[in-house]
Amino acid sequence: KQEVTQIPAALSVPEGENLVLNCSFTDSAIYNLQWFRQDPGKGLTSLLLIQSSQREQTSGRLNASLDKSSGRSTLYIAASQPGDSATYLCAVGYGQNFVFGPGTRLSVLP
Amino acid sequence: GAVVSQHPSWVICKSGTSVKIECRSLDFQATTMFWYRQFPKQSLMLMATSNEGSKATYEQGVEKDKFLINHASLTLSTLTVTSAHPEDSSFYICSASAEHYNEQFFGPGTRLTVL
Repeated sequence: KQEVTQIPAALSVPEGENLVLNCSFTDSAIYNLQWFRQDPGKGLTSLLLIQSSQREQTSGRLNASLDKSSGRSTLYIAASQPGDSATYLCAVGYGQNFVFGPGTRLSVLP
Repeated sequence: GAVVSQHPSWVICKSGTSVKIECRSLDFQATTMFWYRQFPKQSLMLMATSNEGSKATYEQGVEKDKFLINHASLTLSTLTVTSAHPEDSSFYICSASAEHYNEQFFGPGTRLTVL
């Protein structure tokens, strides 16, 4: 059974800091990994999708890496802004499903 | 990117009534649709997977007679919460994927409140 964990559970940083969110999964037989952002009471916004054959993806200030063999992914956010405050979820494509992590709640203070 | 819509975005109902939530893929044919539930401050939990024209596959612990899923066409899946109770209050999110693609596209979610 696939289990996904995320560390830290919550993070509060001052504006401008670079930060790293971590995602771990127990079974390396994934076909992709996706990072999402969720604002309170809202749906999911897809940030980055990494296929199992890829090692990283970049979009603007976001960079996500994938190390399938060690069961880890990191989401790097450069020069954080108050508008980045949200919950960040990682999910792994496994079998026919996505398995979600519990999320990291990020607060960027102005 | 592919767009998935959900209707309604929120619904309030009385205990004992049934509520139907629609999930539509707007610009692609969704061979598979997924229904997730999210309780406050928790992550998404998969409830069921449905393929067009066949019965849904429910995750362990999800009552198939309570959460009726119909995937009648390649662009529409519905989730009906039958005889809803306050403990069914939650955020329900659907996603859809197309044949031969392993990416899921998520709808905006439906917030259900049962009084």
